[in-house]
Amino acid sequence: EPEVTQTPSHQVTQMGQEVILRCVPISNHLYFYWYRQILGQKVEFLVSFYNNEISEKSEIFDDQFSVERPDGSNFTLKIRSTKLEDSAMYFCASSGGDRGLYEQYFGPGTRLTVT
Amino acid sequence: AQSVTQLDSQVPVFEEAPVELRCNYSSSVSVYLFWYVQYPNQGLQLLLKYLSGSTLVKGINGFEAEFNKSQTSFHLRKPSVHISDTAEYFCAVRQGAQKLVFGQGTRLTINP
Repeated sequence: EPEVTQTPSHQVTQMGQEVILRCVPISNHLYFYWYRQILGQKVEFLVSFYNNEISEKSEIFDDQFSVERPDGSNFTLKIRSTKLEDSAMYFCASSGGDRGLYEQYFGPGTRLTVT
Repeated sequence: AQSVTQLDSQVPVFEEAPVELRCNYSSSVSVYLFWYVQYPNQGLQLLLKYLSGSTLVKGINGFEAEFNKSQTSFHLRKPSVHISDTAEYFCAVRQGAQKLVFGQGTRLTINP
C-alpha cells in the first residue's frame, strides 16, 4: 500500500545551521502538510501546500521556515537557522487523490535534535 | 478556532477488557473528526474518521467511535483490547480548509 516516506529518520544539527527535511508524499495526492510534535506536547500544524503554493500556515511557521516541492515527487521543509526550540519530531502528511480530500496520511517522522 | 480535549493522558487496562478513550471538541457548524494512533517509534496512522452520516463509525483494528453532537464528543471504543493496542491515541478535528487540530493524546497501556 502506498505510504508517505520521510528522510532522514533522525537529524542532529547545531544551533544556527540550516536543515532540510525531506518527504515523499503518496503519489497522486494533491495536498501536502508539515506538522511537528515537541516531546511530550501536542502535534501542531505548521503549513499546508497545494498547487505549488502555501495554502495555510500557522504562527509557528515564520520566516525561518520554507517549503518546496522541487521535482513533483519530493516535498521539503527547510529551517534556515535552527534554534534549540526547533527540536521536535516533524511529520509530513498528504491527502487528496482517490483516497479522499479529508484523510491525511502521515509519514513516520524525522526527529530533529538541535544542539 | 477549533480545539480538542482528550480528558485522559493515560489509560491502563487489562488485556481483553473494554476501553473508551474520551475526546471532546469545541462546537462548530460542521465538523470532521479523526482518531489517529501512534505506535512506539512510528508515525501517525488513521484509525477512523467522521465526515457525515452515521454517528457510529468503525475503523481498523476493531475500534469504533461515536459522534455525539449534543455533547460535542467523539469517544473511541474497543470491546476487547490486545497487547498490540498499546500506543498513543490522538483525536483531531479539521479546522478551516485543511488544517488538523490535535488533542494532547492518550497513552493506552495494556497489561497482561
